[in-house]
Amino acid sequence: DAGITQSPRHKVTETGTPVTLRCHQTENHRYMYWYRQDPGHGLRLIHYSYGVKDTDKGEVSDGYSVSRSKTEDFLLTLESATSSQTSVYFCAISEGGEGAREQFFGPGTRLTVL
Amino acid sequence: AQRVTQPEKLLSVFKGAPVELKCNYSYSGSPELFWYVQYSRQRLQLLLRHISRESIKGFTADLNKGETSFHLKKPFAQEEDSAMYYCALRRRNMLTFGGGTRLMVKP
Repeated sequence: DAGITQSPRHKVTETGTPVTLRCHQTENHRYMYWYRQDPGHGLRLIHYSYGVKDTDKGEVSDGYSVSRSKTEDFLLTLESATSSQTSVYFCAISEGGEGAREQFFGPGTRLTVL
Repeated sequence: AQRVTQPEKLLSVFKGAPVELKCNYSYSGSPELFWYVQYSRQRLQLLLRHISRESIKGFTADLNKGETSFHLKKPFAQEEDSAMYYCALRRRNMLTFGGGTRLMVKP
């Protein structure tokens, strides 16, 4: 497996509480992504980063924010968690550019919002 | 905007039978397509990409621009092929995924 870890791996929280998920890589890849995986929807991009402090929105960014202060870490924050954000969250990394098309995925974080 | 559609949520076949997982896309540019696979309790991983024209674990996929399809095929399914399969379209370092198809290969 590519050097990608996610923490926590499982989390149960209550509606209205803030939650932060962490993705850590040891590959020094430029691009990092956060997806959510839901049955019938596949994986949908929440936010991505193309460098330190460089981030942009994905398809389903409402209710989420991200930060990347170091190459190796990409944080996903739910400012006030809602039940609709119950999902499995995957981080991915990519070297980017035309010569490196593959994305490598982390193990996932299962988040339950009660 | 690009879109990827996998019409079957579940595909169940017997071991040794042929398998075809369908993927259709809509994209105004020149498409770059992938198949990713997620085995039980494992990470999502790349299976194959259309530009490589490769066969991985007996699977092949041909890009048909006329039909805007990128179907995944294997002539003889094995039980270890049981997994979740996702078709994905790449645009500017971002992937758009289909909804996924769960393949179950019965003994």
